[in-house]
Amino acid sequence: GENVEQHPSTLSVQEGDSAVIKCTYSDSASNYFPWYKQELGKRPQLIIDIRSNVGEKKDQRIAVTLNKTAKHFSLHITETQPEDSAVYFCAASFSGNTPLVFGKGTRLSVIA
Amino acid sequence: NAGVTQTPKFQVLKTGQSMTLQCAQDMNHEYMSWYRQDPGMGLRLIHYSVGAGITDQGEVPNGYNVSRSTTEDFPLRLLSAAPSQTSVYFCASSVDSVMYFGPGTRLTVT
Repeated sequence: GENVEQHPSTLSVQEGDSAVIKCTYSDSASNYFPWYKQELGKRPQLIIDIRSNVGEKKDQRIAVTLNKTAKHFSLHITETQPEDSAVYFCAASFSGNTPLVFGKGTRLSVIA
Repeated sequence: NAGVTQTPKFQVLKTGQSMTLQCAQDMNHEYMSWYRQDPGMGLRLIHYSVGAGITDQGEVPNGYNVSRSTTEDFPLRLLSAAPSQTSVYFCASSVDSVMYFGPGTRLTVT
C-alpha cells in the first residue's frame, strides 16, 4: 500500500521568512496530494491540494509543487506569520474511493 | 450545512467497557472514514466506507467495528476498551478525494 514520508518533523522560522515542508510517496499510481493544517485542539483543515496533471499550484502565500518522476511534493509558505504556526500534514491517494494516507506531520513554529 | 459532526467531544472509559463514537454528515458524501491521531504518529486510518453497506479495514482496525447502514451515519464501536485506544478520533467524509474532518472525539481509557 501507499506510504508517505514527511520531513522535517519540526521547523522553526523567523517571521517573514519562508518555510518548506517535503513529502515523498511510494505508490506511483497516487494522483491526489493534499496538505492539511491543524491548529492546537482543532480538526485538520485542507489548505491546498494538487492533482497529478499539474506541477505547481499557488494560493496567495502558499504553494505546492509536485514531481511525479521523483515521487515527491512540497509545501512552500512565503512571508510567514505567527498565525502560520501549526502542525501541517501531507497526504496521498489514488482516487476518490481509496484511502488518504497521511505523513506524520510537521510542527511549524513562526517566531515573531 | 452542519458538515461532519461527531459525538461525544470527550469520553473517559474504564478498561473493558464498550462504547460507540457517533459520526454524521449532511453533504451526501459516499466516502467516509475514521482516523485516530496519536502524538508523533500522524493520522492513522482505522476503517473506511465507500457507500452504504460497504466497509473496509484500514491500517489499525483491531479492537474497532464499523457499520454503514445509511449514507449519513458511520459509527465506530469500541468492543472492549484498552488503554492503547486512548487517542483523538476523527471522522471524515469526502467527495472527489477532498476530505472534510469532524471536530474529533478525545477518548481516554483508564
